[in-house]
Amino acid sequence: GDSVTQMEGPVTLSEEAFLTINCTYTATGYPSLFWYVQYPGEGLQLLLKATKADDKGSNKGFEATYRKETTSFHLEKGSVQVSDSAVYFCALGGPMEYGNKLVFGAGTILRVKS
Amino acid sequence: NAGVTQTPKFQVLKTGQSMTLQCAQDMNHNSMYWYRQDPGMGLRLIYYSASEGTTDKGEVPNGYNVSRLNKREFSLRLESAAPSQTSVYFCASRTATQPQHFGDGTRLSIL
Repeated sequence: GDSVTQMEGPVTLSEEAFLTINCTYTATGYPSLFWYVQYPGEGLQLLLKATKADDKGSNKGFEATYRKETTSFHLEKGSVQVSDSAVYFCALGGPMEYGNKLVFGAGTILRVKS
Repeated sequence: NAGVTQTPKFQVLKTGQSMTLQCAQDMNHNSMYWYRQDPGMGLRLIYYSASEGTTDKGEVPNGYNVSRLNKREFSLRLESAAPSQTSVYFCASRTATQPQHFGDGTRLSIL
């Protein structure tokens, strides 16, 4: 079945450091890919998405590119802030027009220190 | 504010007790979902409702039942709670061409 594998955390960075969180997937067909963020005590918020190969999703300085050849959707940010401390989830779903049941990775805790 | 509202936010139960978790959305979304979140396992789908009047099992449905009461509301019921059901439960909803939108969760502890 479909699955998502994320790098294990926690990831601890200093403010203004470069962030990469790796995400790879296994899926049949052509899934949509998502990054969700969960701040302490809150629900998940959509951070960015990509619906087809080579699409780049971006939001709030975060970027991820849908790479079909490597089945990856790595999250990057050039300069992290303390306020980026959260849990980040990579997820895949069916095409947006259908079902869209999501399969989540285990999540990666990011801690940014000042 | 528009969104997905879950009640209660926290609950402690004893083994064998029953409980209904409520979820309501005011965004006129067709599809609604229930997930559980456990450490190191991400979110796992319990049940979903693709549209009003339909429900389907997800990855981990055992021990749960759901009701899609109307387009706005989708409840999750634990008939006889077990310690293994201690978790954080999230409800989500979506419309046809948009990603899922999540509530803030219900923290459930079963002693």
